[in-house]
Amino acid sequence: QQPVQSPQAVILREGEDAVINCSSSKALYSVHWYRQKHGEAPVFLMILLKGGEQKGHDKISASFNEKKQQSSLYLTASQLSYSGTYFCGTTLSNDYKLSFGAGTTVTVRA
Amino acid sequence: NAGVTQTPKFRVLKTGQSMTLLCAQDMNHEYMYWYRQDPGMGLRLIHYSVGEGTTAKGEVPDGYNVSRLKKQNFLLGLESAAPSQTSVYFCASSYETGQNSPLHFGNGTRLTVT
Repeated sequence: QQPVQSPQAVILREGEDAVINCSSSKALYSVHWYRQKHGEAPVFLMILLKGGEQKGHDKISASFNEKKQQSSLYLTASQLSYSGTYFCGTTLSNDYKLSFGAGTTVTVRA
Repeated sequence: NAGVTQTPKFRVLKTGQSMTLLCAQDMNHEYMYWYRQDPGMGLRLIHYSVGEGTTAKGEVPDGYNVSRLKKQNFLLGLESAAPSQTSVYFCASSYETGQNSPLHFGNGTRLTVT
C-alpha cells in the first residue's frame, strides 16, 4: 500500500523553509527520500530506519516517527537547486519492497 | 562507473506490438526492480528480482514479463502492448533489500503506445 504524501505541491522563495510529510497506515521499517528533477531519474537523498532517527544532508534533513508511522522531510533555507519532485518510499517489517508515495513538487523561486 | 543503464531511451509502439527493455548494472547488486511512473501516481513496482535466476511480481505486474538470466541484467518484456502501458519505465538496483539499502535508478525509458 502506497504511503500518502502531503502537500502535493509547494512554492517557495529562496531562503524559505518547507516540510513534506509522508504517512502510512501500516507499521514501517524504513523510509527513503528521493528527489527527481524534470526528465531525470530519482536520486537518493537519505534513508531512515526504525528507531526514530533523524538524518541530515546539507540543509535537507528528515525525521522518522515509527509510532505515528510517518516521516517528515525538512527543506531549510531553500535554494534554487532544491526544486524538483520529492518522493518518499517505505518498507514494512515483513515486506522489503519499496513502495513510493505520489510525490511533492517543490518549486523554489528567486 | 556507469551505474544503471537502460536502453532504449524512447520507444513508440503500436497496440499489439511487443518489445523488450534492457537494464544493466555494473555495481554487482543483487536486487533489481522495474517501476513505472505515471503523472500523479508516483513510482509503482512492476516486477523485481532478488538475485540471478529469480523474479517476482510487484504491485502492477499484469501485461509484463521479466527475466534475470545474468546478475547484471534485468529485462522487461511487453508481449502485446496496450495504450494503458504508455508510461516512463525506470529500472533500479540495490545492494541489499530496500529496507536498508538505497535504490540506484537508471535514466528511464519513455514508452508511448498508440
